[in-house]
Parts: sequence; structure tokens; C-alpha cells
Amino acid sequence: AQSVAQPEDQVNVAEGNPLTVKCTYSVSGNPYLFWYVQYPNRGLQFLLKYITGDNLVKGSYGFEAEFNKSQTSFHLKKPSALVSDSALYFCAVRGDNYGQNFVFGPGTRLSVLP
Amino acid sequence: DGGITQSPKYLFRKEGQNVTLSCEQNLNHDAMYWYRQDPGQGLRLIYYSQIVNDFQKGDIAEGYSVSREKKESFPLTVTSAQKNPTAFYLCASSMPGVSNEKLFFGSGTQLSVL
Repeated sequence: AQSVAQPEDQVNVAEGNPLTVKCTYSVSGNPYLFWYVQYPNRGLQFLLKYITGDNLVKGSYGFEAEFNKSQTSFHLKKPSALVSDSALYFCAVRGDNYGQNFVFGPGTRLSVLP
Repeated sequence: DGGITQSPKYLFRKEGQNVTLSCEQNLNHDAMYWYRQDPGQGLRLIYYSQIVNDFQKGDIAEGYSVSREKKESFPLTVTSAQKNPTAFYLCASSMPGVSNEKLFFGSGTQLSVL
């Protein structure tokens, strides 16, 4: 069975400091990994994805994520946080076997303090 | 502009009433999905459809029904059998089978019980 864990409900970071939002996963087959961001009362917006290739993936708004196969992790990172980055972040996974659906983690609320 | 449109943005349901949430996409995507979002629980899959005139139950289908008569449309009915319908409902679409597959989301419908 597929699953995604985001071990932190809340992450607080000061503006200008680096941020990390953690994600680990379990999947059958090779993983397709995604990060989405949600602002209040809005749908989810795509940030970045890992399908294959370079383990370091760069996405929108200066975010990046590193795929670590041995640790089954896909942590989201940004070198310098902005107050506008404050939002709810979701990690998602889908196995590459036919018929597998996307599975989402519970979300991590990021608060960037001025 | 291409995208997914959900309506209404806010919906109120009376006891014993069925209500229908609309989802329309003009992305020419084959697959469409309905997710339910509750605080702290992430997204849970209600129903999905990989092709017109076919749909499958997700993890929490009880008390919900869907139809997929047109490629562009995937309405969700919340029936009176759903005893705890208050939640944020998200519709999504994707093009399965492509290497860059990802989910595109609508802006959501907040359903509340009167």
C-alpha cells in the first residue's frame, strides 16, 4: 500500500532563514513524488515533482526538493524563506505501476515570521 | 484560460438533503478526481474517473455519488447518507500515462450543514 508521512504538523521559521518541510513515503514500484502548496480557501498549486533523473529537483518560487531513495524521503527546501511562503504544504506520491492513484500526506503548516 | 472550475464556492446543506457540487475542466484531461479535505487529515480520495462513462470508488465513497457523462464534467452528489458532510471538497484532473503526469486542482467548494 502507498502512504506518505509528513512528521511535522507545523514548521516555524524566521524570514530569511532556510526552511525544510519533511516528507517520507512508501510505494510499490518506482515513486513519482510531488509537492503542492495551499493558501487559505484555495485549491492546491503544484510546486515541483520528481519522476526520474537528478535527485535535486527545482520548482516554483525558489523551492527545491531532494529525492533520497535509501531513506525514502523527499524533503522540500528553500534557502531563504519569505513571509509570503506561509501556507499549507502537501507531499504526494504515486507509484509507477498502472492503476495507482495519488496519495497525499496530512500536510505541514509553514509559518514564516517577519 | 485552461483550468478547472468548481462551483459553488460555498454550499449549505439541510438535514436529509442531497446536494451536487459541480466540476468542469477544459484541459482535455481523461482523468478526474474528487477529494475531501478535513483539517489535519490531508486529502482523501472519494471517487475517480479515468475515462468517460466509467468511475471508481476511492477510500471514502460511502454517502457520495458521481457521474461522468462528458469528458469535461465530473459532478459530485453528497447524499443524505453522508452524515458528516462538512468539509472542503476539491476536484482535480490529470492526463494518465504520460511521464509528466500531475494533478491540476480547482479552487474548491466549502460545504457546510445548516
